[in-house]
Amino acid sequence: DQQVKQNSPSLSVQEGRISILNCDYTNSMFDYFLWYKKYPAEGPTFLISISSIKDKNEDGRFTVFLNKSAKHLSLHIVPSQPGDSAVYFCAANGNQFYFGTGTSLTVIP
Amino acid sequence: DAGVTQSPTHLIKTRGQQVTLRCSPKSGHDTVSWYQQALGQGPQFIFQYYEEEERQRGNFPDRFSGHQFPNYSSELNVNALLLGDSALYLCASRLGDMNTEAFFGQGTRLTVV
Repeated sequence: DQQVKQNSPSLSVQEGRISILNCDYTNSMFDYFLWYKKYPAEGPTFLISISSIKDKNEDGRFTVFLNKSAKHLSLHIVPSQPGDSAVYFCAANGNQFYFGTGTSLTVIP
Repeated sequence: DAGVTQSPTHLIKTRGQQVTLRCSPKSGHDTVSWYQQALGQGPQFIFQYYEEEERQRGNFPDRFSGHQFPNYSSELNVNALLLGDSALYLCASRLGDMNTEAFFGQGTRLTVV
């Protein structure tokens, strides 16, 4: 049973525009959420996190939004850069990290 | 400051054999988790070690076992390898088991033939 879902396997965005990656979860007990970026042949790299007591967290070009009532979070990247091209995973912390299946972002120069 | 290191990076084993993967956590981290990532999937939680004990376990059979040493490093052992065990095995470390980010190693690519 997939408790964290990323329904868009891929996303293409022009350089300089906004990238919006979405994630849904099913367990209302999750209280901490994270986004990771993964390049081929590398392990996931931590990007940004958000606690369930917040609805927004920013770090430079990256902003994560959490909508607890909808059990939905999103990652906004503004402006998108070609180096952002990677697979992005969202994860939720219960008694373990539950990962989505990832969204492959391609930023077109 | 070294991050999470895993060894080996690649491994080829024959069905039925046993394998041991190793992980050194990021300096200062005491909690180690192991994940299996199949092609096109997200990482799947195998188990987590804290204070040398297995604290949580995902939906993996007993063929998957582990160990954490006093220096916080960890091993993942898989017995009676199946073709379906072929995957990228990721180790992640963090401080404690509270809500903090986990840092991942580069993974070990295991191929079972």
